[in-house]
Amino acid sequence: QITLKESGPTLVKPTQTLTLTCTFSGFSLSTSGVGVGWIRQPPGKALEWLALIYWNDDKRYSPSLKSRLTITKDTSKNQVVLTMTNMDPVDTATYYCAHPTPLYCSGGSCYYFFDYWGQGTLVTVSS
Amino acid sequence: QSVLTQPPSVSGAPGQRVTISCTGSSSNIGAGYDVHWYQQLPGTAPKLLIYGNSNRPSGVPDRFSGSKSGTSASLAITGLQAEDEADYYCQSYDSSLSGWGVFGGGTKLTVL
Repeated sequence: QITLKESGPTLVKPTQTLTLTCTFSGFSLSTSGVGVGWIRQPPGKALEWLALIYWNDDKRYSPSLKSRLTITKDTSKNQVVLTMTNMDPVDTATYYCAHPTPLYCSGGSCYYFFDYWGQGTLVTVSS
Repeated sequence: QSVLTQPPSVSGAPGQRVTISCTGSSSNIGAGYDVHWYQQLPGTAPKLLIYGNSNRPSGVPDRFSGSKSGTSASLAITGLQAEDEADYYCQSYDSSLSGWGVFGGGTKLTVL
């Protein structure tokens, strides 16, 4: 049974760095093909895919947020950490971590859907 | 502004059939990327509803079906039930974003 849970601060100040942790069970990030992703959702708005990290430590980021994001993994702890720098009120959102399953792989890239999601954690950016 | 366009809202009476469209372009759905659909009940995390355009995960009722044609995809819900009232999101990939994943803007389904 796969479960994921996000943890981190509920309130951060503008310009600060946000650090969120995803703790998961039911799979291992040392297994070939496995990854963990982060997605966010501002209140009343759509989902936005932020970052992905794979079992081989390959990392992918949203092109629009790449300069502000860092994703890392601790395989021994079954955790993935997302950091986002220079937080702004527009970054106020519920942040989800999710387990991606590849539909297929082609040309060195894999194309995923998210089959398991954490409950999400609301992060408010305000002074 | 998402590269995948969904109607902001759709509605239907119990028992009816509704469809939700997800319109893309030649750099995403039209490029051959598959489409996935998620259901988000109020106050909860998204749940995978359809993957690979038309495949249902175990446990998803066959009232839900997906299709894809050209630069668009559709989610159909038949025999509408009150518990289907939720937000629905499509997801695909876009070559103009270096193959990054994208979500649609979401559609609010209201069961009348």
